[in-house]
Amino acid sequence: DTGVSQDPRHKITKRGQNVTFRCDPISEHNRLYWYRQTLGQGPEFLTYFQNEAQLEKSRLLSDRFSAERPKGSFSTLEIQRTEQGDSAMYLCASSRRGYQEAFFGQGTRLTVV
Amino acid sequence: QKEVEQNSGPLSVPEGAIASLNCTYSDRGSQSFFWYRQYSGKSPELIMSIYSNGDKEDGRFTAQLNKASQYVSLLIRDSQPSDSATYLCAVLNFGNEKLTFGTGTRLTIIP
Repeated sequence: DTGVSQDPRHKITKRGQNVTFRCDPISEHNRLYWYRQTLGQGPEFLTYFQNEAQLEKSRLLSDRFSAERPKGSFSTLEIQRTEQGDSAMYLCASSRRGYQEAFFGQGTRLTVV
Repeated sequence: QKEVEQNSGPLSVPEGAIASLNCTYSDRGSQSFFWYRQYSGKSPELIMSIYSNGDKEDGRFTAQLNKASQYVSLLIRDSQPSDSATYLCAVLNFGNEKLTFGTGTRLTIIP
């Protein structure tokens, strides 16, 4: 059990650029979640996959955001035309079928300049 | 009213004392409750989960749940400086797969 892995750990990008983050969940975890956390706040839910199916998306996930989980394994979160307000820690979590505990990866810290 | 409320602190507790962290939630349909610990600049780490009324103990940690009062707490006994962190309360509602987090309580253990 190697834990949830996220890549990159840090990303600095210029406003207007596109960025893509990757998450590898714990093996055998069929559920995968994306959250966003800004300073002084708790994580906010963005979207959730069960296997390859994206089952829920938050209204926070504007049309500039897209997430995929091909083949139900790793997931990617893409942000198009980044804005300064997108600067945050992007957290991925996974959980096992039949269990409610979710385990987080190390996060990707995005800074938009 | 926020869905999950926590006192943001900071809460300062002497080393060796009991730290008490509190959380209230607004949705009576909430079914599962979690405490995460988050060190500065790091990601949340799950430390406790509780699903039914009463107490649940794990080492120096005790989670307490009172669904009638919509209240969940975390007690840390024999507090250590390494317990200094932000503690996040998270709630899972029935039929919903997303965790709703409070803003966290920053705990400082004073040596």
